[in-house]
Amino acid sequence: QTVVTQEPSLTVSPGGTVTLTCASSTGAVTSGYHPNWFQQKPGQAPRALIYSTSNKHSWTPARFSGSLLGGKAALTLSGVQPEDEAEYYCLLYYGAARVFGGGTKLTVL
Amino acid sequence: EVQLVESGGGLVKPGRSLRLSCAASGFTFDNFWMSWVRQAPGKGLEWVGRIKSKTDGETTDYAAPVKGRFTISRDDSKNTLYLQLNSLKTEDTAVYYCTTDLLDYWGQGSLVTVSS
Repeated sequence: QTVVTQEPSLTVSPGGTVTLTCASSTGAVTSGYHPNWFQQKPGQAPRALIYSTSNKHSWTPARFSGSLLGGKAALTLSGVQPEDEAEYYCLLYYGAARVFGGGTKLTVL
Repeated sequence: EVQLVESGGGLVKPGRSLRLSCAASGFTFDNFWMSWVRQAPGKGLEWVGRIKSKTDGETTDYAAPVKGRFTISRDDSKNTLYLQLNSLKTEDTAVYYCTTDLLDYWGQGSLVTVSS
């Protein structure tokens, strides 16, 4: 069974920079896994942020960026705002199937 | 404006069935592949499955935990996506989200609780 792994929790100061990562149990994450990133706040549906590694949706704030880093997919937040406190999920494509990571709880403190 | 509105959730006993609906508006529904994603209480997201457009054969793919029990279908004349949940287990308790297949648009979810 394929497992996608994210940091369970991270803490960042307002205005700071933080990188969340997404690893695959099958090996290095490449663009072929089409990494996606989502943000979810309590009581809300998830919101798409990044697709196909680094592409932003029209509503994605400029401070969010996606990349590949050291064999993992990465989501970097630069100039973190208090409203960025949320759960972040990555998603990888495995052929027709998709697998979400377990999520990273980001605390802005 | 894209809107996805799920309905049909509720409390159901183990072994029973339920059908969820997702009413779509604001885009050309019949051109789009669609997916379902679920989230158990206090847990992470889990992809359930997806259906291609009629043009692409309306074929379906499912996650292993639901394969053979859940069925995704669509009625393009009604701009509606369905998820038929059969042989329900307590571990199927979750909020079920309807999404476009690229997961860029999401509904607000419908809660399914499986309990005796």
